[in-house]
Amino acid sequence: GIQVEQSPPDLILQEGANSTLRCNFSDSVNNLQWFHQNPWGQLINLFYIPSGTKQNGRLSATTVATERYSLLYISSSQTTDSGVYFCAVDPNTGFQKLVFGTGTRLLVSP
Amino acid sequence: EAGVAQSPRYKIIEKRQSVAFWCNPISGHATLYWYQQILGQGPKLLIQFQNNGVVDDSQLPKDRFSAERLKGVDSTLKIQPAKLEDSAVYLCASSPDLGEKLFFGSGTQLSVL
Repeated sequence: GIQVEQSPPDLILQEGANSTLRCNFSDSVNNLQWFHQNPWGQLINLFYIPSGTKQNGRLSATTVATERYSLLYISSSQTTDSGVYFCAVDPNTGFQKLVFGTGTRLLVSP
Repeated sequence: EAGVAQSPRYKIIEKRQSVAFWCNPISGHATLYWYQQILGQGPKLLIQFQNNGVVDDSQLPKDRFSAERLKGVDSTLKIQPAKLEDSAVYLCASSPDLGEKLFFGSGTQLSVL
């Protein structure tokens, strides 16, 4: 099956810093979604981004489907950005189901 | 707009007991998913419904897990009998249709002792 690898696995930032999270996938996909899992376990959908670039406040995401990667940018990080960030891909298998990556654990300190 | 509702929030049972989880998706969402998330890992899909039909249950341990969505709205996931390795968070999610943006509930944290 498809492999979805995220980097870095762990990231510690000072409040106000910027960061880039990467998601690599091993095969073609129909779509890609980015999620934030907060410290209480709630998964929030950040982006639905099969290709191109989208922005939402301090967050933006870019997917280059032909090169099989996606990037999530966090600018001016805040303590509330802490948690685990997952990318999830829908492999081109016809089932339209999401396969989650390994996750990046982010800690933003004040 | 109400989100995906799940209950209970927490459940503690002994091995070999039975347990059931309930999920009510966002109104109008045709697709409903059950995921299992073991501590430190990403969610893993157990079963996917489109309205009241099963789209994919290839990763559901069918000897002990069952799920239904009889009227194409809410859904129940059951484990019978539970094993220690079933300790995890069980997440329900829904989307307007296949391949669209996914929305998750708060999950049920299951501990099997």
